[in-house]
Amino acid sequence: NAGVTQTPKFRILKIGQSMTLQCTQDMNHNYMYWYRQDPGMGLKLIYYSVGAGITDKGEVPNGYNVSRSTTEDFPLRLELAAPSQTSVYFCATGQGEKLFFGSGTQLSVL
Amino acid sequence: DQQVKQNSPSLSVQEGRISILNCDYTNSMFDYFLWYKKYPAEGPTFLISISSIKDKNEDGRFTVFLNKSAKHLSLHIVPSQPGDSAVYFCAAERGETSGSRLTFGEGTQLTVNP
Repeated sequence: NAGVTQTPKFRILKIGQSMTLQCTQDMNHNYMYWYRQDPGMGLKLIYYSVGAGITDKGEVPNGYNVSRSTTEDFPLRLELAAPSQTSVYFCATGQGEKLFFGSGTQLSVL
Repeated sequence: DQQVKQNSPSLSVQEGRISILNCDYTNSMFDYFLWYKKYPAEGPTFLISISSIKDKNEDGRFTVFLNKSAKHLSLHIVPSQPGDSAVYFCAAERGETSGSRLTFGEGTQLTVNP
């Protein structure tokens, strides 16, 4: 089992560009999450999903969109990239409080 | 409003000694607390947790202590090993069983010197 797989691992965007961060899990969990981590800061929740077709905003959703068409996939979309979105993005899944994280996507917006 | 704070950005200890990582919280509604460990270029991994009905939980070399009156928890690692060198995140949750309610601290970089 791969657990939680995120692609790409690294990406550089220009201001105003768009991209989708991919996340796939093979753990058959209903809950999936997107977090961002800025230097010296804790993880902040962007969006989460409690199952296919259901998503909700977290603490810092502005500038992002998500969809959940299957149990396995939970992509995160950046429509108009801004320098403030430079961060490391983590996808996670879990049952209850114990989350399983992907290895992250390091995104720079220049 | 940082509801979960880890005031020490870094900690350095000698191999074989005790490592103590601290975490303070402000929200008295938090009733479940977790520690995650993160190596470079990897995602965080769950380490140990404690419910507010307990004041101590042990798992091998790792023990978490909870002092509700002080809104403080700590992670003890005994004995510390070089492989424990990582960033440790404290997290807290209130009531629900969903991870959507987890609030993370800023993290503490632990370095264990051989």
